[in-house]
Amino acid sequence: LAKTTQPISMDSYEGQEVNITCSHNNIATNDYITWYQQFPSQGPRFIIQGYKTKVTNEVASLFIPADRKSSTLSLPRVSLSDTAVYYCLVGDTGNTPLVFGKGTRLSVIA
Amino acid sequence: GAVVSQHPSRVICKSGTSVKIECRSLDFQATTMFWYRQFPKQSLMLMATSNEGSKATYEQGVEKDKFLINHASLTLSTLTVTSAHPEDSSFYICSAGTGFGNTIYFGEGSWLTVV
Repeated sequence: LAKTTQPISMDSYEGQEVNITCSHNNIATNDYITWYQQFPSQGPRFIIQGYKTKVTNEVASLFIPADRKSSTLSLPRVSLSDTAVYYCLVGDTGNTPLVFGKGTRLSVIA
Repeated sequence: GAVVSQHPSRVICKSGTSVKIECRSLDFQATTMFWYRQFPKQSLMLMATSNEGSKATYEQGVEKDKFLINHASLTLSTLTVTSAHPEDSSFYICSAGTGFGNTIYFGEGSWLTVV
């Protein structure tokens, strides 16, 4: 199972764009990259998933370079409610367990 | 997105007793579900993979006789903590794959407090 490395924490002001980069040097050919958001005392919430290039949905964008050894989650114009822990995970199918790293604790400041 | 639900959200039990936590996939069938535990300020730790109709696969260091997992149907997996001790107090989270693409969804989590 591919390991991921992310910054432990990040701070941002409200309204700014936040980019969180994740390294996954040992990603396998069949692995997808998925980002989750977790608030205290809640289960992780799916944010976005991608395989290569760029993926965008209503809450975030995910940038994946050609070598797929890293990925960047981009949160546009964050608000205080975006304060949470963000996890980057890689895995090959919906039936393979995801192994969590330490995640990135994002603090949004007014 | 797909919904995974856990029950109860919070439970308190006495030392030595057993407690069951349910994990349901509400709008899809899940042949495989996963159980995690999470201590405060820490990341999720995978405990076991629950396979419908067969025995669960436990991660190294997780006692299978203490944490009983049953996946009797395609929409329900249960985790039973037997002979609970205070150190079993934790946040337990389940997840399930939708089978469509590679997305795994998580339940809301269940807080277990053993007194």
